[in-house]
Amino acid sequence: AQRVTQPEKLLSVFKGAPVELKCNYSYSGSPELFWYVQYSRQRLQLLLRHISRESIKGFTADLNKGETSFHLKKPFAQEEDSAMYYCALSPPGGGNKLTFGTGTQLKVEL
Amino acid sequence: EAGVVQSPRYKIIEKKQPVAFWCNPISGHNTLYWYLQNLGQGPELLIRYENEEAVDDSQLPKDRFSAERLKGVDSTLKIQPAELGDSAVYLCASSSRTSGRANEQFFGPGTRLTVL
Repeated sequence: AQRVTQPEKLLSVFKGAPVELKCNYSYSGSPELFWYVQYSRQRLQLLLRHISRESIKGFTADLNKGETSFHLKKPFAQEEDSAMYYCALSPPGGGNKLTFGTGTQLKVEL
Repeated sequence: EAGVVQSPRYKIIEKKQPVAFWCNPISGHNTLYWYLQNLGQGPELLIRYENEEAVDDSQLPKDRFSAERLKGVDSTLKIQPAELGDSAVYLCASSSRTSGRANEQFFGPGTRLTVL
């Protein structure tokens, strides 16, 4: 069975500090991994996906198959990064069947 | 574009009453999803439609939940009768295989259901 674990419910950092939101997964095979974000009073939206190898709003995430992790990182946190972040997994071949983690609330303090 | 539209945004009902949620996906999106999100949890897939066909309803509690997407566009999710444990946010999402970011799911604002 596929499973996504986000060990931190809340992560509080100061503005300008580095951020790392942890995500570990369990899946027998090569899944696709995603990070979704939900800003206050906004909809859940895709932030980035591992196959794109992109940096969005300064965030990057590297898939580590050996450690089955897909941690989200940003070198310098901004106040506008405060949001709820969800890691999600999908079987290979598309993002149709997403399994979400429980989410991490990121709070960036001044 | 309005994005995925859901109605109502909030609903409060007594237990054992029926309730229905409506979703209109982004125009041209053939795949539609219903998710359940309990407090403090991530969304969990209830059902996925490809056009009008339910291709994955394994997580839908069929004793009280039902869904339809008759013309392959908008969809309705129903609970009858509602129980206290059904209090949650019900999210609708849609995606398209032919868009630039294939299979990216676009979410609606959700319907927050409270069962008293």
